[in-house]
Amino acid sequence: NAGVTQTPKFQVLKTGQSMTLQCAQDMNHEYMSWYRQDPGMGLRLIHYSVGAGITDQGEVPNGYNVSRSTTEDFPLRLLSAAPSQTSVYFCASREASGNTIYFGEGSWLTVV
Amino acid sequence: DAKTTQPPSMDCAEGRAANLPCNHSTISGNEYVYWYRQIHSQGPQYIIHGLKNNETNEMASLIITEDRKSSTLILPHATLRDTAVYYCIVRVAIAGGTSYGKLTFGQGTILTVHP
Repeated sequence: NAGVTQTPKFQVLKTGQSMTLQCAQDMNHEYMSWYRQDPGMGLRLIHYSVGAGITDQGEVPNGYNVSRSTTEDFPLRLLSAAPSQTSVYFCASREASGNTIYFGEGSWLTVV
Repeated sequence: DAKTTQPPSMDCAEGRAANLPCNHSTISGNEYVYWYRQIHSQGPQYIIHGLKNNETNEMASLIITEDRKSSTLILPHATLRDTAVYYCIVRVAIAGGTSYGKLTFGQGTILTVHP
């Protein structure tokens, strides 16, 4: 099992550019989510999905889009990057009936 | 989800037990206590969780007070690799559907294990 895999690990964007952070899990987990973590702060939920075709907003959804066309993949799209989106992004997944959330290794994004 | 309060930082000598406290005085009867840790630059890692009974696994022990208003995570023999930020989280147990149970991470406790 690879667990939760995020790509890219590092990315630098210019303001206004768009990009997609990829997230894939091979554990057949129903639930997937995206968090961002800013320096010295805890993780804040951006978007989450409880299954293919179902997504919902978390605490800080503005500026981000998601889709869940398959169980395995949950990409996070930045439509027009802003410096305020400079952060570390974590993807996570878990079983619908499980208690343990598995996190990816993170994607470091800098918007200049 | 109930709010938690943790000390911002703690130190522990290598080989000694690390006892990390957490207050969750507004916890509801159907909320579990979870502990995660985040080693620098890595994704958070699940450690342990419990409802009202004390729990132990290969990583740690969780002691929950009888009134459930506080808990303590115990790392019995801390090593340098246990240096991390430890998060105490309370949340409703899995109920299926859209109750994803969004984990709300506070500031956590920075545990530094020194030689």
